Amino acid sequence: EAGVAQSPRYKIIEKRQSVAFWCNPISGHATLYWYQQILGQGPKLLIQFQNNGVVDDSQLPKDRFSAERLKGVDSTLKIQPAKLEDSAVYLCASSSSINTGELFFGEGSRLTVL
Amino acid sequence: QQPVQSPQAVILREGEDAVINCSSSKALYSVHWYRQKHGEAPVFLMILLKGGEQKGHDKISASFNEKKQQSSLYLTASQLSYSGTYFCGTERGLIPLTNSGSARQLTFGSGTQLTVLP
Repeated sequence: EAGVAQSPRYKIIEKRQSVAFWCNPISGHATLYWYQQILGQGPKLLIQFQNNGVVDDSQLPKDRFSAERLKGVDSTLKIQPAKLEDSAVYLCASSSSINTGELFFGEGSRLTVL
Repeated sequence: QQPVQSPQAVILREGEDAVINCSSSKALYSVHWYRQKHGEAPVFLMILLKGGEQKGHDKISASFNEKKQQSSLYLTASQLSYSGTYFCGTERGLIPLTNSGSARQLTFGSGTQLTVLP
């Protein structure tokens, strides 16, 4: 079974530029999460999708961050314009069943904002 | 609200034991444990539901004290492969969905870095 795929793995941009990250969850997983992990900290939830609907985006800085999950499969997270404090690893995770609760994480996209 | 993990870091020798704690100020529905090796994705270890259960996975086990809203992860006879950062993730309850059903959502602690030396 293929795991959660993310791209790009690394991205370096200057502040005020834009960037987009892509996530392909495990096939059949209805729930998709985007987490932001700043160095030395635990993952912080940005947005959660159930199929193509948003369950929770209360911690997403909506003035600069946006995310979509068209057709309930792949998802894209965009940052525009980027700030220095956005430097982090952006982790995508998916989950298949509410009963197990296990999250399957991708390897993440590391963003450096200069 | 983010759970509190302690200690922040542990260094031990192969074969020694370690305990990592996770606590919340709010009532919890479940506690999850993940391990993340440097530069890799977090990997699921186990989930504990309210009811005070204890689970084991090889020489790694965990308990959940529902009354104290605390969970502890026990690593027995540590192996080199146990090195990594351990995160607890907590749930306060299931999230009801508008189109029926419910969803899960985890809030992670800041992690405990475990280093096992030969």
